[in-house]
Amino acid sequence: EIVLTQSPGTLSLSPGERATLSCRASQSVSSSYLAWYQQKTGQAPRLLIYGASSRATGIPDRFSGSGSGTDFTLTISRLEPEDFAVYYCQQYGSSLTFGPGTKVEIK
Amino acid sequence: EVQLVESGGGLVQPGGSLRLSCAASGFTFSTYWMIWVRQAPGKGLEWVANIEKDGSEKYYVDSVKGRFTISRDNAKNSLYLQMNSLRAEDTAMYYCARESHHCSNGICYARGFYYFDYWGQGTLVTVSS
Repeated sequence: EIVLTQSPGTLSLSPGERATLSCRASQSVSSSYLAWYQQKTGQAPRLLIYGASSRATGIPDRFSGSGSGTDFTLTISRLEPEDFAVYYCQQYGSSLTFGPGTKVEIK
Repeated sequence: EVQLVESGGGLVQPGGSLRLSCAASGFTFSTYWMIWVRQAPGKGLEWVANIEKDGSEKYYVDSVKGRFTISRDNAKNSLYLQMNSLRAEDTAMYYCARESHHCSNGICYARGFYYFDYWGQGTLVTVSS
């Protein structure tokens, strides 16, 4: 089973700042089959990125994904108030696993 | 508009059973793999079970094998999760979600074990005496 590790656990930033979230896999994720989701308190997860770098429908371009192999990054170029949430990565190259999440909180 | 609406959650005693339902609309249900994902209170996301388009293939996380059964009724656009022998550790919000199609060179198809493009709002299952 591919284990995903996300860092940091919590990211404290101010609106307008850049957020960089990391997702590391215990083994290579084939075909860059990695997705990112955003979950706000009391809501279902929402797909942001798939295929490591493709934005889902309706996702603002301040969200971008990059990486391959075992190291992946989600970048939010300028944090908006509605971006403070928990972010999960998920690999689908070998079965399905989720990372433990990174909480982006207001500093 | 794609919609997924879960129901059937509630409070149940350890060893008891529940049947969750997910009503789908706004897309051709029979052409998509579907999945149940759960989230224990304050915890992360965990894949529980998924099912192929016509129900011929079903997969489960080890912790629920032999206790949970995923099924679907394409005529009713509905997904189900029968949960038996429930344990305290099954307490969670249960989400149904649609597995996206894989698209390459303009051709799209359902391949299973993919990413999830639409989620329901979830139904809460609490296992406690």
